[in-house]
Amino acid sequence: GPKVLQIPSHQIIDMGQMVTLNCDPVSNHLYFYWYKQILGQQMEFLVNFYNGKVMEKSKLFKDQFSVERPDGSYFTLKIQPTALEDSAVYFCASSLAPASQDTQYFGPGTRLLVL
Amino acid sequence: GDSVTQTEGPVTVSESESLIINCTYSATSIAYPNLFWYVRYPGEGLQLLLKVITAGQKGSSRGFEATYNKETTSFHLQKASVQESDSAVYYCALYMGYKLTFGTGTSLLVDP
Repeated sequence: GPKVLQIPSHQIIDMGQMVTLNCDPVSNHLYFYWYKQILGQQMEFLVNFYNGKVMEKSKLFKDQFSVERPDGSYFTLKIQPTALEDSAVYFCASSLAPASQDTQYFGPGTRLLVL
Repeated sequence: GDSVTQTEGPVTVSESESLIINCTYSATSIAYPNLFWYVRYPGEGLQLLLKVITAGQKGSSRGFEATYNKETTSFHLQKASVQESDSAVYYCALYMGYKLTFGTGTSLLVDP
């Protein structure tokens, strides 16, 4: 089936530095999502993105977070500056239509460790 | 807010035995959210296993099935005879508004 890729699979970074997580969504998909899962907890919605804009975001999507998809390439999540509590696995997803109507396809996740 | 509670893992079952993973939900803004089971096999991304959008209906896929029970607000996942290849982490989720809300996941290990 359709595949979503995430690069890198693991990232270790010092607190205060910037990190960019990359997502290669399914090629014809138009809606993009990020989720965060802290070890032992449930996966939680961060943000969704369509037509170059953030559509909805949760309270977990702090001011230090930003998303973009320049030139239709990777869909990225940037954290600047990083904090210890940002350590988690970040999952990207994409769908052709809004999630109310269409299945979201998920990537395998990027495991981020902030030291 | 919305929430999903599911069987805590890990769950270990012998091959060809039956399986049930419990899931109950609480949806605050609408009565009948869309309900899902996702599965993550080792090293792979989350995949949709089945979904049901109408209360009272049953969804099925790959031998798994789940019935949307609005009276008990439950969506338990069942399989009559598991296989070793079913070893994975299973997530119950509800969709409402604009987002998926997930349970914490249930790790299933099937002994050959």
